[in-house]
Order: sequence, then structure tokens, then C-alpha cells
Amino acid sequence: LAKTTQPISMDSYEGQEVNITCSHNNIATNDYITWYQQFPSQGPRFIIQGYKTKVTNEVASLFIPADRKSSTLSLPRVSLSDTAVYYCLVGDTELTGGGNKLTFGTGTQLKVEL
Amino acid sequence: EAGVTQFPSHSVIEKGQTVTLRCDPISGHDNLYWYRRVMGKEIKFLLHFVKESKQDESGMPNNRFLAERTGGTYSTLKVQPAELEDSGVYFCASSQKDSFSYEQYFGPGTRLTVT
Repeated sequence: LAKTTQPISMDSYEGQEVNITCSHNNIATNDYITWYQQFPSQGPRFIIQGYKTKVTNEVASLFIPADRKSSTLSLPRVSLSDTAVYYCLVGDTELTGGGNKLTFGTGTQLKVEL
Repeated sequence: EAGVTQFPSHSVIEKGQTVTLRCDPISGHDNLYWYRRVMGKEIKFLLHFVKESKQDESGMPNNRFLAERTGGTYSTLKVQPAELEDSGVYFCASSQKDSFSYEQYFGPGTRLTVT
């Protein structure tokens, strides 16, 4: 699986847009990019997944450039409740079929303040 | 819809004892996974069930760990005998059948402390 690199921590204020960038230089052709969020004392929660260009859902947007060697998770107008660890994962959905093991890195600790 | 549940939420045992963790996946999810995070480390994959069959157990640390999923519903993870380095948080996750996505639903985890 491709190794990912993301900032250890980020600080923001309520109402701001937060962009977390993840590098994955060794991404393979079949690899998808997935982001998870984790609050203290909870399990990780799926946010968004994409392959190329832009994906948007009710929670976030995921921007993936043409070379796919990086991706950016964008959180619009964050609030205090968005304080969490955000993980970028890259993997091949066809590798196991019928289910895919996740490989977590260290993640980015986002702290949102008033 | 009920989420993934895990029991117990916390467990404190002595070295050499046995502990059994339980996971109830979301109803209808054929895929069930176990992960764990030991102190200060990253979340690591342990194994993957498809229904009652072990699809991938490459992450199981050693033969002191035994996972079962009889009937393809809930799963148990037994640690026998427990060692100090087994302390950590054990997560269970589930996903739908033939899911070519990385969307998994995680439980809250079981915090295991071995003293």
C-alpha cells in the first residue's frame, strides 16, 4: 500500500475553512484515497473517498490533482466539534475484493478554537 | 439503524489471564474487521472475516489471539494468555458485502489493560 504523509497537527478557528493535504507519491493506478475522522474515545468514522478530480459530500470535499500524488481534504466552516484526528488512507479496492483492510498512519490532529 | 457495538468497553486483567472481546456488526454486513491501537502507536489491522470465514488474518500478532465468527454474525476475539504488550484499544468494524470501497463502520472500541 502507498505510504502517506500528512501534517501532524493543524490549528484553526470556528467558521474558517480547513484544508488538510496528504502526500502519497507512490500511489498506484488502482488506488483510491480515503479520509477518516476520529474523536477521542471513539472509533474512526469514514468521511469521504475519491479516485480523481473532486468529490463532495455533505461533510467535506476531496480534491485530487491529475497526478494523484497528493490530495486535500477540505472542511468548510469548521466548528469546535470538528476537533479530531483526520487520517488519509490510500489503498487498492480490488486487492481483496469484498472488503478492504485499512492502513492508518499517524493522522493530523485538528484543533478548532473559538 | 444500530451501529457496531463492542463489549466490554473497558477490561482490566492481569498478565496470564484470558479475556474475550465481543463485536456485534451492523446487521447485514458480511465483512467484519478487527483492528487495534497499542499505546502510542497507529491503528493496526488484525483480521478480516467474510461471513464466518477468515479472509485475511495477516495482522494477528501471534497464536495467543483467536478470533471467531460463528454463524457469520457477531465475532469474538480471545487473548489467552494476555501479556502486558497486549494493552491497547481494540476496534471492530464492519462493511457491506462486496464493497469496493473503504467505507467501514467502526465500533467505539474496547480498552484492554493488562497489568
